[in-house]
Amino acid sequence: DTEVTQTPKHLVMGMTNKKSLKCEQHMGHRAMYWYKQKAKKPPELMFVYSYEKLSINESVPSRFSPECPNSSLLNLHLHALQPEDSALYLCASSQEGGGFTGELFFGEGSRLTVL
Amino acid sequence: GENVEQHPSTLSVQEGDSAVIKCTYSDSASNYFPWYKQELGKGPQLIIDIRSNVGEKKDQRIAVTLNKTAKHFSLHITETQPEDSAVYFCAASISAGNMLTFGGGTRLMVKP
Repeated sequence: DTEVTQTPKHLVMGMTNKKSLKCEQHMGHRAMYWYKQKAKKPPELMFVYSYEKLSINESVPSRFSPECPNSSLLNLHLHALQPEDSALYLCASSQEGGGFTGELFFGEGSRLTVL
Repeated sequence: GENVEQHPSTLSVQEGDSAVIKCTYSDSASNYFPWYKQELGKGPQLIIDIRSNVGEKKDQRIAVTLNKTAKHFSLHITETQPEDSAVYFCAASISAGNMLTFGGGTRLMVKP
């Protein structure tokens, strides 16, 4: 099983809503990532979890709140978002947790629209 | 921090022709250089990678070359097919970090 599964695939929310994006992998990977991708742009790193601990936060606004309940699951909690936060949110995982040396496995993404 | 520049931003070729995409990086400590392919509606997928102790790597129709002195690396696709049409991203990273720095992407269109 070499898949990273993201739900939901599409999400529309108002600026006052609270919603969550979910990501799951069963490859035994020890690092998990959230990326944000705007149209015609490369993925931008938001957060990295290594061995279930937050290791990198790329100065992301607090309206985005990550959570790693266990080594297979990664959530991104959304609250009071702005229309400019509309984007494709990609989850990824990699085998190593203590230093990046190999392939990132990406999910298909959750396309978020903030009205 | 690392900065990766990628050219061209769009590339249109006839089926069967070759395609070349070039990237330059700024941090001489970078030692891992992957290439990702992103098809419409999907996440990026690794297609080939190279480490700094190797100058060239080939996998069927795809090859990557690395020039550490000049700090640039290139993706070569031969005998292009319509299914090669996608956005391609180069990236660079330093081992012992947890970050990839992506280039800006190249939209490759292969015309049948």
